[in-house]
Amino acid sequence: DAKTTQPTSMDCAEGRAANLPCNHSTISGNEYVYWYRQIHSQGPQYIIHGLKNNETNEMASLIITEDRKSSTLILPHATLRDTAVYYCIVRARNDYKLSFGAGTTVTVRA
Amino acid sequence: AAGVIQSPRHLIKEKRETATLKCYPIPRHDTVYWYQQGPGQDPQFLISFYEKMQSDKGSIPDRFSAQQFSDYHSELNMSSLELGDSALYFCASSFGNSGANVLTFGAGSRLTVL
Repeated sequence: DAKTTQPTSMDCAEGRAANLPCNHSTISGNEYVYWYRQIHSQGPQYIIHGLKNNETNEMASLIITEDRKSSTLILPHATLRDTAVYYCIVRARNDYKLSFGAGTTVTVRA
Repeated sequence: AAGVIQSPRHLIKEKRETATLKCYPIPRHDTVYWYQQGPGQDPQFLISFYEKMQSDKGSIPDRFSAQQFSDYHSELNMSSLELGDSALYFCASSFGNSGANVLTFGAGSRLTVL
């Protein structure tokens, strides 16, 4: 069973915030939420991760609900270069690997 | 900043041949991961190494083997190549092997089997 559920695709307007949802209703207390993206055929790129608290870095913000069953990745000002497949991944503290599921294809339009 | 280096970037082989991919992790990273991404698919975990020992294993075919060397670089050896092995192969590295450690991926090696 997939640990996360994401929309198949999303369109965003250039210059606007992009809000990418992810459901992880079976997440356990020792599991992190990670976000990666993959721009066409390039290596996956780390964006952000969090355990319980909201997180922000130079690329994005991660908002995790209080019950931790869902999260939202926010790209504050989407650009055409943000067009990519975005993966939300749940990873246990003792899990060495990242397991990629079906991500969200985000298309930023001018 | 130094990144994960993969070589070769492109490789063309015939069926039943052997191929070797190399991965040089970020300096001081001690954990290496290999992923395979077929056309139109999501990356699939193959195998990982922590401090030169296999730490986890995914859906890696028996025809494939890998190891991590004393300088922490890793090699993925693929024998008896099949058409279905045509894919992008990504290597990633991290410092430490817990769920809190971020994986940094290389640019990938594209293998084409004819």
